[in-house]
Amino acid sequence: KAGVTQTPRYLIKTRGQQVTLSCSPISGHRSVSWYQQTPGQGLQFLFEYFSETQRNKGNFPGRFSGRQFSNSRSEMNVSTLELGDSALYLCASRRDFYSNQPQHFGDGTRLSIL
Amino acid sequence: AQTVTQSQPEMSVQEAETVTLSCTYDTSESDYYLFWYKQPPSRQMILVIRQEAYKQQNATENRFSVNFQKAAKSFSLKISDSQLGDAAMYFCAYRSEETSGSRLTFGEGTQLTVNP
Repeated sequence: KAGVTQTPRYLIKTRGQQVTLSCSPISGHRSVSWYQQTPGQGLQFLFEYFSETQRNKGNFPGRFSGRQFSNSRSEMNVSTLELGDSALYLCASRRDFYSNQPQHFGDGTRLSIL
Repeated sequence: AQTVTQSQPEMSVQEAETVTLSCTYDTSESDYYLFWYKQPPSRQMILVIRQEAYKQQNATENRFSVNFQKAAKSFSLKISDSQLGDAAMYFCAYRSEETSGSRLTFGEGTQLTVNP
């Protein structure tokens, strides 16, 4: 069974640009969550999507947004990139929103802002 | 809001020895899950072990076990017979059972080095 797949693995952007990251969950998993990992702030929750609806949201500015498609694949978008957005972005999937099962993580997308 | 604290930024252990990683958390909830995740240089976050707060028995997964002290809000991870492959960053994490959803609150992490 394939794991959580995140693309691309690495990305380099400049300030002011926007970026879209993609996450394909494990087959059968319908909940997708996103996390930002930085040396200074550690791992922080961005948002969670289930049944194409955002169910939870962390404390991030509106420049960070996401969506989920009918096949459960999710994308997150960051607009007007800032240097501080340089981070590892991790995606995790779970069977459903109400499940007691743990999340499974992907390998992440390393975003560097120049 | 819940917080998770890992007070040991770095730990080291000799191969085949035992090491314990510490984690404390703060919550006003009674129903929750606690997790230990391992993140090797490959970056993927791997679940090591989990504990349901309502269970008094400490979770065990092969060489990994936890000491869960609910009243003290403490959740330590013991790794027995340490192996070179155990070297990684270890994160303690909390998930509320009362609010549903997948949101995890992570600690700062402990970098574990295993010496041959």
